[in-house]
Amino acid sequence: SDVLTQPPSVSVAPGETATIPCEGDNIEAKSVHWYQQRPGQAPVMVIYYDRDRPSGIPERFSGSNSGNTATLIISRVEAEDEADYYCQVLHSYNYRVVFGGGTKLTVL
Amino acid sequence: QVRLVQSGPEVKETGSSVKVSCKASGGTFRNCAIVWVRQAPGQGLEWMGGTIPHLDRTSFSADLQDRVTFSTDRSATNALMELRGLTSGDSAIYYCARSGVCGSESCPPYLRNWGQGTLVIVSS
Repeated sequence: SDVLTQPPSVSVAPGETATIPCEGDNIEAKSVHWYQQRPGQAPVMVIYYDRDRPSGIPERFSGSNSGNTATLIISRVEAEDEADYYCQVLHSYNYRVVFGGGTKLTVL
Repeated sequence: QVRLVQSGPEVKETGSSVKVSCKASGGTFRNCAIVWVRQAPGQGLEWMGGTIPHLDRTSFSADLQDRVTFSTDRSATNALMELRGLTSGDSAIYYCARSGVCGSESCPPYLRNWGQGTLVIVSS
């Protein structure tokens, strides 16, 4: 079964670029989706199909997927980006969802 | 834009059951996958299972499959999750989530819409 590994935490200064990796065996063969969860709030999808942005998500959010690592990239980080971020793939046709362990992004 | 509204917080005794509802407004669950996710205090997201009603498919987390039931009403606007045999380890925020619109054989592999979450506290 899929196991997705994320670092527990990433720190970045405002205005810099944050990269959050999601590692999985041959993850490039799957579509990876990313969710932002601010404290006390429900998750919100920020990237789907590796690199697509839902409407309303800033262009600063982008994604990539190659080899064994998918990456969420947040350019020109702002204080409001401080949140937990989760990657997700779908394991089977019965819609079994797999989440990464989550990464807490701290804006210094 | 579809909005999912969940039922209110619950305090339950050990061994009892809880039902959490999820109502869709501005859309329905028709032709969608409905997923239930929970989050224990300070922990990550845990997939509980889900259902694709129009394809008659249901899946469960191996850890919960003996204790959880999912259902959807005929109008496809209300989804329900029931968890039985509660223990303190089931204390968590429970979320419903909805995929995008499915095709004839499969559904988008992401969760486009989420409910606001329902806090369930299990005490002895």
